Amino acid sequence: GQQLNQSPQSMFIQEGEDVSMNCTSSSIFNTWLWYKQDPGEGPVLLIALYKAGELTSNGRLTAQFGITRKDSFLNISASIPSDVGIYFCAGSPAAGNKLTFGGGTRVLVKP
Amino acid sequence: SAVISQKPSRDICQRGTSLTIQCQVDSQVTMMFWYRQQPGQSLTLIATANQGSEATYESGFVIDKFPISRPNLTFSTLTVSNMSPEDSSIYLCSVEGGAGGEQYFGPGTRLTVT
Repeated sequence: GQQLNQSPQSMFIQEGEDVSMNCTSSSIFNTWLWYKQDPGEGPVLLIALYKAGELTSNGRLTAQFGITRKDSFLNISASIPSDVGIYFCAGSPAAGNKLTFGGGTRVLVKP
Repeated sequence: SAVISQKPSRDICQRGTSLTIQCQVDSQVTMMFWYRQQPGQSLTLIATANQGSEATYESGFVIDKFPISRPNLTFSTLTVSNMSPEDSSIYLCSVEGGAGGEQYFGPGTRLTVT
């Protein structure tokens, strides 16, 4: 099925760094979602975006809904070791519709 | 957001057998979803399960292989039938919980087929 194009596929973080990841789509979405999945757990919703151009924060996380409605980015500021995990973007045309997921960004700690 | 539990949390099964996974939600929800997540991969939707109607399956998934029950607004089951090693995955249920279509996920069931 369709997948969103999420990049990067993986990244290494050093404590205190800011990191960004983004998602692009060939289709328009009316909702953009960002999830984090820790090992052995289900994805946890971090941020939901409902409006083109919207910028929303949740603690050290900031996400934006692209103005074209075909992209979104997530920024993590001042990263800490517990930020390690897999981050997924997802788009939805509307409530009651299925989600389309990105391939995930695996965040790892620099050795 | 809803609190979602799944049973079992993990299982190791022999090929040719079947496993039924349960998903329980702490509030009534209209739409429930079942996903498969193969090792190192993203989430793939298996089917959408609404109470009172037949589940709607995505391309590549069939009812004979993945029968789903949705007897009420807080519970659903997914059966993985006639299992093969290729069915080894994490199976996740989710519920829709917001005005924009956001979904909340259970902790997943990690299935290994030998």
